[in-house]
Amino acid sequence: DQQVKQNSPSLSVQEGRISILNCDYTNSMFDYFLWYKKYPAEGPTFLISISSIKDKNEDGRFTVFLNKSAKHLSLHIVPSQPGDSAVYFCAALYGNKLVFGAGTILRVKS
Amino acid sequence: DAGVIQSPRHEVTEMGQEVTLRCKPISGHNSLFWYRQTMMRGLELLIYFNNNVPIDDSGMPEDRFSAKMPNASFSTLKIQPSEPRDSAVYFCASSFDGQETQYFGPGTRLLVL
Repeated sequence: DQQVKQNSPSLSVQEGRISILNCDYTNSMFDYFLWYKKYPAEGPTFLISISSIKDKNEDGRFTVFLNKSAKHLSLHIVPSQPGDSAVYFCAALYGNKLVFGAGTILRVKS
Repeated sequence: DAGVIQSPRHEVTEMGQEVTLRCKPISGHNSLFWYRQTMMRGLELLIYFNNNVPIDDSGMPEDRFSAKMPNASFSTLKIQPSEPRDSAVYFCASSFDGQETQYFGPGTRLLVL
């Protein structure tokens, strides 16, 4: 039972363009959503988050959008840089428990 | 400012052997989480502690797995006996009550032959 889904296993984007990573969830009880970035041989690193009572949160080049009616969130990276190449995990918080999606591999080509 | 520390970073063992993974959370954090990452199941929560007390161990796969947190700065995850299907990357994460963000360690890559 996958409560958090990232349906795109990979995404390739040209440097300077926008990267859009998508995530869908099924449990309407999730009250917080987070994006993590992971490089090989390292642990996931927190990137940005959004409360379920908001629809947008911005931090520099990173913006997360939440559409509660569609149970969908997305991460926008503008402009994309080669250093952004990593695996991006969407995660949803229920109580103190994080439920992760399968991840999307982002490749930013220079 | 040290992050979450895990040891060992890599472990290779033979089936049937006992394996102990160690974690030191960020100082001041009072919640600690053990995750396992596999190709088949992705990142899944095994167990989490709050104030050194196990709160939810519903993700622990079976009795071969056990976890302890004897004090606020140390936790172990033990597998006894280990099996090849336990091969995975095991992450420890910590957080502070009231904060949603969990901070992950670098992981322990376990290979059971």
